[in-house]
Amino acid sequence: DQQVKQNSPSLSVQEGRISILNCDYTNSMFDYFLWYKKYPAEGPTFLISISSIKDKNEDGRFTVFLNKSAKHLSLHIVPSQPGDSAVYFCAARGDPDGAQKLVFGQGTRLTINP
Amino acid sequence: NAGVTQTPKFQVLKTGQSMTLQCAQDMNHNSMYWYRQDPGMGLRLIYYSASEGTTDKGEVPNGYNVSRLNKREFSLRLESAAPSQTSVYFCASSEVRRETQYFGPGTRLLVL
Repeated sequence: DQQVKQNSPSLSVQEGRISILNCDYTNSMFDYFLWYKKYPAEGPTFLISISSIKDKNEDGRFTVFLNKSAKHLSLHIVPSQPGDSAVYFCAARGDPDGAQKLVFGQGTRLTINP
Repeated sequence: NAGVTQTPKFQVLKTGQSMTLQCAQDMNHNSMYWYRQDPGMGLRLIYYSASEGTTDKGEVPNGYNVSRLNKREFSLRLESAAPSQTSVYFCASSEVRRETQYFGPGTRLLVL
């Protein structure tokens, strides 16, 4: 049972335009959400996160939106740059007092075209 | 400050062989994790160690064992490798009660 889902395996966006990556979750106990970026042959690197008490968090070109009623979060990248081409994973935490176990989505491969 | 390091980078095994994947972190983190990444499946947690001296099963622990050797090192052992264990394995670490995990570069394992 996939608790965190990224339904778009791939996304192609023109350089300079907005990239929107989506993620849905089923477990209402998740209280913290993260986005990771992964280049080929490298480990994932942390990008941005949001607590369930907020609905938006911004960091430079990256903004994450959380809609708790819809159990949906999205990552906006504006403007998109060629270096943003990577696989993006969303992740959720369900146990704030425990070992910080994260549940990951399947990933979305973002390609930025010049 | 190397962060999280993993060895080896790449390994080919025959079915039934055993091997240990090594992971070390120099960030003084308490918690460490092992994940596997398969196409279309994202990252799935194999085992984790909340603190030195403790280990617990994650989502897909069958066929694996782990050892938290000390605060820095967390190894993953395949006792009898199977083709289904062909995957990319990532080690990660985090501070206690902090959400952000820091990942190593991965070990690509092929079991024939």
